[in-house]
Amino acid sequence: QLQLQESGPGLVKPSETLSLTCTVSGGSISSDDDWWTWIRQPPGKGLEWIGNIHYSGTTYYHPSLKSRVTISVDRSKNQFSLKLNTVTAADTAVYYCVRQGWSPLRGFLYWGQGTLVAVSS
Amino acid sequence: QSDLTQPRSVSGSPGQSVTISCSATTSDVGAFNYVSWYQHHPGQAPKFMIYDVTKRPSGVPDRFSGSKSGNTASLTISGLQADDEADYYCCSHAGSYWVFGGGTKLTVL
Repeated sequence: QLQLQESGPGLVKPSETLSLTCTVSGGSISSDDDWWTWIRQPPGKGLEWIGNIHYSGTTYYHPSLKSRVTISVDRSKNQFSLKLNTVTAADTAVYYCVRQGWSPLRGFLYWGQGTLVAVSS
Repeated sequence: QSDLTQPRSVSGSPGQSVTISCSATTSDVGAFNYVSWYQHHPGQAPKFMIYDVTKRPSGVPDRFSGSKSGNTASLTISGLQADDEADYYCCSHAGSYWVFGGGTKLTVL
């Protein structure tokens, strides 16, 4: 059974960089049909897709976050990572790492439990 | 303001059916064929319920069904059960990115 686990600081200061890592177990990150995704949920609000990466290194980002986001992959460690720079309080959220399928199942198939990141001084 | 508009809340009694709508307000979703739905119980990870508008992953009860008319997709839950009480989100591919609806809180009365 595929499992994903987020890790990283739970508190980040305004204007600094939020960094999270997702460790994938029970399966390989080097799958042609899978995309590795970050999704967040601010307190009391809905889900927001941040971006994704294929093991080949191809990335896509949400237009509203594109200027501040970098997603990378480390195939040797079966991990992928999120960096969000110049954070503000609006970036406070539960961050989920997700396996996103394209074929045959098209959607967000497996989710980590999520990690709360607060932006505060 | 989300690119996908959902009602903030719906409710129904056990055994009844409810339908949650998801209307696209952006042309970025194209033909709106890549719509998926997620069930989210607070404190848990969201669960993948419907994909490609109408398809159900294995393990999802057939009480959950999806449909589409024009630029509005819908999730119908029949035979409501107490455990169906949760937040529901629609999602669509929008060219190079993905968008979620604002979410609908389903209350089972």
